[in-house]
Amino acid sequence: DIVMTQSPDSLAVSLGERATINCKSSQSVLYSSNNKNYLSWYQQKTGQPPKLLINWASTRESGVPDRFSGSGSGTDFTLTISSLQAEDVAVYYCQQYYSTPPTFGQGTKLEIK
Amino acid sequence: QLQLQESGPGLAKPSETLSLTCSVSGGSFSTSTYHWGWIRQPPGKGLEWIGSIYYSGSTSYNPSLKSRVTISLDTSKNQFSLRLSSVTAADTAMYYCARGQATPGLFDRWGQGTLVTVSS
Repeated sequence: DIVMTQSPDSLAVSLGERATINCKSSQSVLYSSNNKNYLSWYQQKTGQPPKLLINWASTRESGVPDRFSGSGSGTDFTLTISSLQAEDVAVYYCQQYYSTPPTFGQGTKLEIK
Repeated sequence: QLQLQESGPGLAKPSETLSLTCSVSGGSFSTSTYHWGWIRQPPGKGLEWIGSIYYSGSTSYNPSLKSRVTISLDTSKNQFSLRLSSVTAADTAMYYCARGQATPGLFDRWGQGTLVTVSS
């Protein structure tokens, strides 16, 4: 199985400031034949199911605010929230779907400082 | 608007079989464009993919659970189901059903989840 490791485990950021969450996979999730990274980011607010924010490492889902962005390739990825809003408080998960079983990171808890 | 709703008993006894159903409404169910999956989350912990089923009826399971899992499809009812046998306390979790995109393992719509507790 591909192991996904996120850092940090928790993060406190002031409103309006930038939040950065990192994700590292134990092997590359870049598929060479189509040059796509099989990496997604989910947001899970308390008491809710996960919500898909970003797929293919950097493609925002429809309706996701543009303050959310994803970057990286191969084994190292980053989710950035450019200007933190109160409604962004959540746990964020990265996930690889390059190989079966799809696996998730342990989650990063984002709070307001 | 696509909606997924899990249903089933909230309590299971050790060694018994857990059975859940996901009802899909408001969108295309019988299409090869999507696949359908089950993901679980133990209280306070992370997410674990259980398995998926495709329009053709073919299935894919997490090797860690494969010997105990069966996922099936009922296109006439727009439903898919999960059976997990020989449950233990370690199977206590929130169970989510989800719609997967054409690419296996990429889930874009999730149900609200149902909590299943394994206890005698």
